[in-house]
Amino acid sequence: NAGVTQTPKFQVLKTGQSMTLQCAQDMNHNSMYWYRQDPGMGLRLIYYSASEGTTDKGEVPNGYNVSRLNKREFSLRLESAAPSQTSVYFCASTISPGQPGDGYTFGSGTRLTVV
Amino acid sequence: GENVEQHPSTLSVQEGDSAVIKCTYSDSASNYFPWYKQELGKGPQLIIDIRSNVGEKKDQRIAVTLNKTAKHFSLHITETQPEDSAVYFCAASPSNTGNQFYFGTGTSLTVIP
Repeated sequence: NAGVTQTPKFQVLKTGQSMTLQCAQDMNHNSMYWYRQDPGMGLRLIYYSASEGTTDKGEVPNGYNVSRLNKREFSLRLESAAPSQTSVYFCASTISPGQPGDGYTFGSGTRLTVV
Repeated sequence: GENVEQHPSTLSVQEGDSAVIKCTYSDSASNYFPWYKQELGKGPQLIIDIRSNVGEKKDQRIAVTLNKTAKHFSLHITETQPEDSAVYFCAASPSNTGNQFYFGTGTSLTVIP
């Protein structure tokens, strides 16, 4: 049982380049989330998908797009990377949309550096 | 939106002592409060949670208390061990936000052997 799998684990981009961060979960969870973690800032929500076929903006959506490809997969795309997007990105999932459920299961993170 | 504040940002304790981390929240609609432990290079892992209809919950050496009136909740770790060293995050989830969590800024706990 892999849980939440994120790829890649590390990435260095040049300013203006694009890339997609991949996330897949095998727990049959309905809801999936993308967070970024910056020193002293905690975790901030970028986008989430309460259920397959829906996506919504979180606290810090600017510069990002998402796709809920199917129930298992939720990708995060940076169209034109900026140094301010240097961060550690975490994907998470939970079973219960709209109601507090069992808490999130997090992936192991993608460390992204934009130079 | 919800605002969660967490204190202290760093905490050092001797092995065997207790550690307490405190969080406050602003949105009275928040009704679920999880705590996460993050070890170096890993994703956060849920260690305990509490819902707004409960004042206290305990799981072995870990306990969480919630004061809804004052809008604060705390994590208590007793008989600390070196493997408890990690960054701990609190979070609050308002009932009307599609299970979004708002996180505190984290507490780096060091247990000194």
